[in-house]
Amino acid sequence: SQQGEEDPQALSIQEGENATMNCSYKTSINNLQWYRQNSGRGLVHLILIRSNEREKHSGRLRVTLDTSKKSSSLLITASRAADTASYFCPRGYGGSQGNLIFGKGTKLSVKP
Amino acid sequence: DTEVTQTPKHLVMGMTNKKSLKCEQHMGHRAMYWYKQKAKKPPELMFVYSYEKLSINESVPSRFSPECPNSSLLNLHLHALQPEDSALYLCASSQDDPERYNSPLHFGNGTRLTVT
Repeated sequence: SQQGEEDPQALSIQEGENATMNCSYKTSINNLQWYRQNSGRGLVHLILIRSNEREKHSGRLRVTLDTSKKSSSLLITASRAADTASYFCPRGYGGSQGNLIFGKGTKLSVKP
Repeated sequence: DTEVTQTPKHLVMGMTNKKSLKCEQHMGHRAMYWYKQKAKKPPELMFVYSYEKLSINESVPSRFSPECPNSSLLNLHLHALQPEDSALYLCASSQDDPERYNSPLHFGNGTRLTVT
């Protein structure tokens, strides 16, 4: 499949620890986006990194992009219980407009 | 809170009913989407409207019928659904093509649909 694949599928950490999740993709990209979904709710856009960027920060989030390895990582520093959610890096494919396809995501559990 | 509003939040319908899901955004976005999400699964793309025209239909059964009356509104008409269609239906919008023009998707909180 051509959607982004997140790894690991599940991650459990203690509050205050850092959480790192990874995303791999197969085709060339113009950008890569990360989303968060709290249980049973809509998805929230977290950060977008363009193909000519290598690193981007937003608050406690740090995203890196390695286009040579076709991979990205999302680091959440000093995690909080409220960070408990599923995280996705959807990918477009097929040259058609707007078809962002979601992989299985990383389910992050932050224990207080 | 989200800038994409979906109604209703919950819907229970029988297999012979006709109902509609509604989605509204006032951000001036030109692309709107329907996704379906089953429990513990990722969202699956159903339809994409770009500039009020249907641009993508991901082989969705005809019992789901999308409609985009104007650039701010998106409907999903439901008819003769099956119990396996029970899911969270998510609407999203973006300024333009998310891949080509670096436009993030803005999601609503979804409609939780149960088909009995």
